Amino acid sequence: ETGVTQTPRHLVMGMTNKKSLKCEQHLGHNAMYWYKQSAKKPLELMFVYSLEERVENNSVPSRFSPECPNSSHLFLHLHTLQPEDSALYLCASSQEAPLLNTGELFFGEGSRLTVL
Amino acid sequence: AQSVTQPDIHITVSEGASLELRCNYSYGATPYLFWYVQSPGQGLQLLLKYFSGDTLVQGIKGFEAEFKRSQSSFNLRKPSVHWSDAAEYFCAVGPSGGGADGLTFGKGTHLIIQP
Repeated sequence: ETGVTQTPRHLVMGMTNKKSLKCEQHLGHNAMYWYKQSAKKPLELMFVYSLEERVENNSVPSRFSPECPNSSHLFLHLHTLQPEDSALYLCASSQEAPLLNTGELFFGEGSRLTVL
Repeated sequence: AQSVTQPDIHITVSEGASLELRCNYSYGATPYLFWYVQSPGQGLQLLLKYFSGDTLVQGIKGFEAEFKRSQSSFNLRKPSVHWSDAAEYFCAVGPSGGGADGLTFGKGTHLIIQP
């Protein structure tokens, strides 16, 4: 069983839909992250949460809205997305942020999003 | 701003042959350096990392990497590849001593193993 679980694994949505991606980590970590992985582009850091407080927001459009209700759960709420938002969305966790100690990110398997 | 360059988009290697994947970084201070691997349909898994000390670091699955400050490089090597090594490999650089960022990743190198 992976330490970081993402659901759903695949999601198809129209541009007017509202959906959410869920991430759960079972590792007792204090920091969680959302990354976007698009074809032929580097992973893009979207959001960072440390102890449930958002500490980084890398100029992400407001149609993406993160939520971290506790240190084990992270959501990405999606609304009025564009076709160019189609990508693999990866959740990760680390013991703490900033990455001063182990520096290791533990990734989930990702949620493949297709926007029609 | 920090950046990572992986100059090879695809690399094809015969099974049993040696492998070297290139990574160059740009960073103002002493970086933390990482190699991650992503198998099809999977998330990323850490292979190895460099923080300080010995510039040759050993990782899982028989991989190693060497930090060369003068060349701003952190190349990944394996003496003999197996078919199961076929995957996407990402080099990453992290903050040293501060900042709440995650890691900055390269675009990845797709490794193909020929029988």
